[in-house]
Amino acid sequence: DTEVTQTPKHLVMGMTNKKSLKCEQHMGHRAMYWYKQKAKKPPELMFVYSYEKLSINESVPSRFSPECPNSSLLNLHLHALQPEDSALYLCASSQERLGVSYNEQFFGPGTRLTVL
Amino acid sequence: AQSVAQPEDQVNVAEGNPLTVKCTYSVSGNPYLFWYVQYPNRGLQFLLKYITGDNLVKGSYGFEAEFNKSQTSFHLKKPSALVSDSALYFCAVRPRYGGATNKLIFGTGTLLAVQP
Repeated sequence: DTEVTQTPKHLVMGMTNKKSLKCEQHMGHRAMYWYKQKAKKPPELMFVYSYEKLSINESVPSRFSPECPNSSLLNLHLHALQPEDSALYLCASSQERLGVSYNEQFFGPGTRLTVL
Repeated sequence: AQSVAQPEDQVNVAEGNPLTVKCTYSVSGNPYLFWYVQYPNRGLQFLLKYITGDNLVKGSYGFEAEFNKSQTSFHLKKPSALVSDSALYFCAVRPRYGGATNKLIFGTGTLLAVQP
């Protein structure tokens, strides 16, 4: 299985809602990532988990809260978002080996988020 | 500052003609180089990468890329374009050393349009 899955595909939420995005991979990858992508722009890194521990937080507002319950799952909890947070949210994973950083990332199809 | 440049927002080519999508980078220390493709409303798909060795790298769907160390470039090429190659292409660079090795630095993207 060489696939990263993301649910839901689409999400519409109000500014006072709480929702979660889910990402799953069964490739045995120990690095997982959240990206935010605006239309026709490159993905912007939000968070990196390495061996289920948060290793990079790109100064993301606290209304985004990541969680890595196990080596296959990655969640992104959303609360009190703003309309400018509307975007495609991409999850990715990659193999993780000490001292090795050339492994490519596998991306999921994304969740299209609209904040009203 | 470390950066990746894709100087063309859009490249137009006729089906059957060769195509080139340009990428140059300003990242120290012999970084790893990647190309990804994104079809509409989809996640990114890995095409190919350069780690070391032969300057010409072959990848998926008939694409190849040429690494030029002196020009710090990694141009994507295909001998004969297909209409189905029309998509958004991202060049990405990952530092070989240092604390940021988990991070991909993306170029701004190039929209490839192949006309029938």
